[in-house]
Amino acid sequence: DTGVSQNPRHKITKRGQNVTFRCDPISEHNRLYWYRQTLGQGPEFLTYFQNEAQLEKSRLLSDRFSAERPKGSFSTLEIQRTEQGDSAMYLCASSSGLAWDEQFFGPGTRLTVL
Amino acid sequence: AQSVTQLDSQVPVFEEAPVELRCNYSSSVSVYLFWYVQYPNQGLQLLLKYLSGSTLVKSINGFEAEFNKSQTSFHLRKPSVHISDTAEYFCAVSGLLGGTSYGKLTFGQGTILTVHP
Repeated sequence: DTGVSQNPRHKITKRGQNVTFRCDPISEHNRLYWYRQTLGQGPEFLTYFQNEAQLEKSRLLSDRFSAERPKGSFSTLEIQRTEQGDSAMYLCASSSGLAWDEQFFGPGTRLTVL
Repeated sequence: AQSVTQLDSQVPVFEEAPVELRCNYSSSVSVYLFWYVQYPNQGLQLLLKYLSGSTLVKSINGFEAEFNKSQTSFHLRKPSVHISDTAEYFCAVSGLLGGTSYGKLTFGQGTILTVHP
């Protein structure tokens, strides 16, 4: 068990470009979550998957954001036509889906939109 | 829906002094409660959690938190802090439905604890 991994760790892009982040959860964890954290704030929930099904999306998630979890393993988060306001740390977490639902977090991907 | 308020954005304290980081929440349903810690340049780590049973929960490194349902609080305490406790601490809640978590965590804004020698 190597923990939750995220790639890339840092991404700098120009406004209007598309970016994609990847998250590899702890193996056999069937729940996967995406959060966004801006400076001075706690993480905010974006979306989560139970296996390959996307069960909930935050109203914060505009149409420019899309997430997938094919085959219920790794997940990708894509942001289209990035804006400066998208600059943030994007966190991924996974859990076993048991009732007590402890979430394990990855190191995050820091996105800077110029 | 749930919300979490951490009443102090920054708490400076001297080494070996006691500390309390305050957390209040609101929710229309029962909740699980968590404290996460983020050390400089590291990811979020679970510090302790309240699920049910005894309202006082403890971590392996000397922190404790008490669930107070009537006050909707889950304050974090440590009787004697070390330099290594310097970090940002986040209180979080997860709503329950039928005893099972909804899944998503709602976090507070975070409290930066700085321990001075």
